[in-house]
Amino acid sequence: AQSVTQLGSHVSVSEGALVLLRCNYSSSVPPYLFWYVQYPNQGLQLLLKYTTGATLVKGINGFEAEFKKSETSFHLTKPSAHMSDAAEYFCAVSANTGNQFYFGTGTSLTVIP
Amino acid sequence: DTAVSQTPKYLVTQMGNDKSIKCEQNLGHDTMYWYKQDSKKFLKIMFSYNNKELIINETVPNRFSPKSPDKAHLNLHINSLELGDSAVYFCASSQDGPGGRNGYTFGSGTRLTVV
Repeated sequence: AQSVTQLGSHVSVSEGALVLLRCNYSSSVPPYLFWYVQYPNQGLQLLLKYTTGATLVKGINGFEAEFKKSETSFHLTKPSAHMSDAAEYFCAVSANTGNQFYFGTGTSLTVIP
Repeated sequence: DTAVSQTPKYLVTQMGNDKSIKCEQNLGHDTMYWYKQDSKKFLKIMFSYNNKELIINETVPNRFSPKSPDKAHLNLHINSLELGDSAVYFCASSQDGPGGRNGYTFGSGTRLTVV
């Protein structure tokens, strides 16, 4: 069975500071991992994903995430926060062994000017 | 062209009414989904169809009934609306199944308010 834990339901950073949003997963098989962003009053948009290969994946808007199997983590980072990054971020995991795709509970990112 | 489009975007209705939300995708995906997002932003899968066949049917009141006339459309009908049904409902689609590697494409959501 798969599950996803996002530590910190709210994260605040100053504009220009490092963004770090944490995601840990549990999976009995090699997972596929995703980060989605939801801007206010909009749907979810795929930021990046890990399936196989290089463990550091780059996404849109300067975000990247690293798959660390030993830590069962897939944390999302961005070197320098913009005001426009303020949004809800969801980590998700799926595995091609069942009909399930699990979302984390989300992390609300606030960027302080 | 919008990839996954939902209508209406906003829906305000009285308790006890019946309403429908429509969803269409032009991505050629085989699988479509309905999710409910509550006030705390938690996403809960409700239903999934693969090529018009129901493959996920979570514990949802039977007042909710999905209908997929073809693989590009998945509609959600809700009978006897209750206050607790107020939420944002998202339609999504994927190229492969729920456990696939491609992830989902989401619509922009329907904000349902029951008064």
